[in-house]
Amino acid sequence: AQKITQTQPGMFVQEKEAVTLDCTYDTSDPSYGLFWYKQPSSGEMIFLIYQGSYDQQNATEGRYSLNFQKARKSANLVISASQLGDSAMYFCAMRGVQGTSGSRLTFGEGTQLTVNP
Amino acid sequence: DAGVIQSPRHEVTEMGQEVTLRCKPISGHNSLFWYRQTMMRGLELLIYFNNNVPIDDSGMPEDRFSAKMPNASFSTLKIQPSEPRDSAVYFCASSPGQRGGNGYTFGSGTRLTVV
Repeated sequence: AQKITQTQPGMFVQEKEAVTLDCTYDTSDPSYGLFWYKQPSSGEMIFLIYQGSYDQQNATEGRYSLNFQKARKSANLVISASQLGDSAMYFCAMRGVQGTSGSRLTFGEGTQLTVNP
Repeated sequence: DAGVIQSPRHEVTEMGQEVTLRCKPISGHNSLFWYRQTMMRGLELLIYFNNNVPIDDSGMPEDRFSAKMPNASFSTLKIQPSEPRDSAVYFCASSPGQRGGNGYTFGSGTRLTVV
């Protein structure tokens, strides 16, 4: 079974500063993928970044980067130069590659990020 | 690319009524997923299809829920009879592949309120 844990229900950051959103995971799959999604107050789910478990480098997408520490089973999202528009709920998710878990995307509880002006 | 299209965006119905939610996945995506989001339980996978075939419906709450995918471009999630505890946002998502790094594209969701 796969499990994603986000221990920060809420986070606050000043505009233009960097913020790290924590995510730890547990899985028995030898290969897996880790995702981050953003859900603004309008409700849509927006894909941000993906990290494969065998990727050598940490993923980056613009102001988003994923701090992947495989031995610690953590996949923290780093947002640099925060903007007011970054205020949203952020979800960490995992997808396995074997068996029936190979398709399901398992989500964490989410972290509500508020960017202060 | 129009993205994943869900309808209706909002649905308000009375307890006991049948509710049908609809989803059109992205063309060429062969995996389709139905999720439910509530404050109490977060995002839960209800069921997913691969090549129109239901693969795992273990997340379907009970027999009142049913889902179909008659072809590659259309899926429905039906609740009959509906109950107030079914009130939630229901998301449909599609993916181009069953495994690996292919992410999901989510629809805008259907906000269901059962009164």
